[in-house]
Amino acid sequence: KAGVTQTPRYLIKTRGQQVTLSCSPISGHRSVSWYQQTPGQGLQFLFEYFSETQRNKGNFPGRFSGRQFSNSRSEMNVSTLELGDSALYLCASSLQGSDTGELFFGEGSRLTVL
Amino acid sequence: EDQVTQSPEALRLQEGESSSLNCSYTVSGLRGLFWYRQDPGKGPEFLFTLYSAGEEKEKERLKATLTKKESFLHITAPKPEDSATYLCAAPLTGGYQKVTFGTGTKLQVIP
Repeated sequence: KAGVTQTPRYLIKTRGQQVTLSCSPISGHRSVSWYQQTPGQGLQFLFEYFSETQRNKGNFPGRFSGRQFSNSRSEMNVSTLELGDSALYLCASSLQGSDTGELFFGEGSRLTVL
Repeated sequence: EDQVTQSPEALRLQEGESSSLNCSYTVSGLRGLFWYRQDPGKGPEFLFTLYSAGEEKEKERLKATLTKKESFLHITAPKPEDSATYLCAAPLTGGYQKVTFGTGTKLQVIP
């Protein structure tokens, strides 16, 4: 079956700009969670959506937001980009929620902020 | 505070040299302990879920075990293709429906 698809894979932005990342989960999965990965902090939870509702949110500023559509596809948006937002952004889908078992990750979107 | 800590941060092994990676946790009422493998530039790939102390799971050269305070990922006779970062994770308690990840162990297996 098709895996989790993230687009774009790579992008370069400048400070102050905004960015939107997209994630298509595995068919039938209702949960999509987003993570930020940096060399110093590891995988940090951003938020999770389940059947179009935000289920939980990590400790990130309000510049980070997301949404989920009725087909379970999800987007995350980062506004007013800062240099520290440079990271690999990963999304993961699961059948019943990120805390209940196996997560299927996409290959990530690598964001560089100049 | 629920926490997952991995050691060592990095491990370099000769091909065939067996070793173990450690994941200690302070999550009360553990609802599962997950192991993932991550190759450079890719997303983590699920390996195992362990639910109770004494449980063991195996996959090729990898065996994961769980005690009441920690989990081990044993690598027997590793090969260069086992080189990757290995992550452990656990769901948080207190009604928080999310998972916390350790910072990983970067394994390098030298031919």
